[in-house]
Amino acid sequence: DTVLTQSPALAVSPGERVTISCRASESVSTGMHWYQQKPGQQPKLLIYGASNLESGVPARFSGSGSGTDFTLTIDPVEADDTATYFCQQSWNDPYTFGAGTKLELK
Amino acid sequence: QVKLLQSGAALVKPGASVKMSCKASGYTFTDYWVSWVKQSHGKSLEWIGEIYPNSGATNFNEKFKGKATLTVDKSTSTAYMELSRLTSEDSAIYYCTRLHYYDGYYPSYYFDYWGQGVMVTVSS
Repeated sequence: DTVLTQSPALAVSPGERVTISCRASESVSTGMHWYQQKPGQQPKLLIYGASNLESGVPARFSGSGSGTDFTLTIDPVEADDTATYFCQQSWNDPYTFGAGTKLELK
Repeated sequence: QVKLLQSGAALVKPGASVKMSCKASGYTFTDYWVSWVKQSHGKSLEWIGEIYPNSGATNFNEKFKGKATLTVDKSTSTAYMELSRLTSEDSAIYYCTRLHYYDGYYPSYYFDYWGQGVMVTVSS
């Protein structure tokens, strides 16, 4: 299975720029997607196809990358962005998720 | 608007089975695959499998073959997942999701809508 590696946690101040990385153990082309999950809620789609912003998601969120290295950027970060962010690949079978990056605001 | 409404929490005994539902609304149920995802307490997400309501075709993560059974009722736009021979390892939140096909330069699938989740607790 394709393993997705994410850093476990980040802490930033509101107004700053934050990048969350996701590295795949093999190429996933641009079949990488990002989700935000707040405590007690279901995940919410942010970015699909590596760089496409889901409708209704603020333009502060953006995604980039292809192959094995991907980045989710939030600029500027707001207090409401406190959450865990998961990457997910759909290029290889089975679909797999990263372990999640917990974003905390200072 | 698209909604996926899942059944309530379940407390089940080891060795038993549990069946949960996911009622879709706001879109044509038979046009999209429905996937199921497991989230163990405080942990990441695992894809279990998917079903295409129009034909009943299914695909599974090898890890969950024999554990999960997926079915649909087209008349009520409801998808079901049954988990069998439950152990403590099956205690988790289970989400149903809608799988969206992205017809870009490099096509891919992603989960665009999620149900609220069903908490399953396996305990004697």
